Amino acid sequence: QVKLQQSGAELVKPGASVKLSCKTSGYTFSTSYMSWFKQIPGQSIEWIGMIYAGDGGTGYNQKFKGKATLTVDTSSSTAYMDLSSLTTEDSAVYFCARGGANWFAYWGQGTLVTVSS
Amino acid sequence: DIQMTQSPPSLSASLGETVSIECRASEDIYSNLAWYQQKSGKSPQLLIYYASSLQDGVPSRFSGSGSGTQYSLKISGMQPEDEGVYYCLQGSKYPYTFGAGTKLELK
Repeated sequence: QVKLQQSGAELVKPGASVKLSCKTSGYTFSTSYMSWFKQIPGQSIEWIGMIYAGDGGTGYNQKFKGKATLTVDTSSSTAYMDLSSLTTEDSAVYFCARGGANWFAYWGQGTLVTVSS
Repeated sequence: DIQMTQSPPSLSASLGETVSIECRASEDIYSNLAWYQQKSGKSPQLLIYYASSLQDGVPSRFSGSGSGTQYSLKISGMQPEDEGVYYCLQGSKYPYTFGAGTKLELK
């Protein structure tokens, strides 16, 4: 079955960067899209962007351009998201979800990122 | 960006009661609307896609309807396991956007 396993919680200092991972199994990663989302606890969900594993092509929500960078490693069927120049406003749960269009049936369990000095 | 206005923000329902949640889009989204349930500390679970199609494994008491800019989710017979926060998602135009959520509790 389709599985998306995300990396563990991160505690990072302001100004630092962090790289989150989303390891997949149960489907053909190399011909699929992966999307990423942000959810501040107690708030709604925001779409960050998506990446096509076949060629690494990306599309970003304008709000997250310069903040998030999406990459993939097809050899390990893993998607990554780099978050840079972190501030307290970046403290949130980040989800990966299979797909890049319309709706998303398969989600990772989420990674909590806490930005604090 | 397309704005999704979701109502009500919260809802309390009795066991077996029928409840409805609405989402209004700021422009026509051509039925590219999905509904999610999220329980505390968990990832969102897809309930309905393309406005009215039931995702595999989702109980038939969940149904969706709507077109254009107006959409609704109905739960026909509230069950204890239906507690959670419900979100609509428009998948018509990038960036995809969610409603603010509806918190559903058992009375």
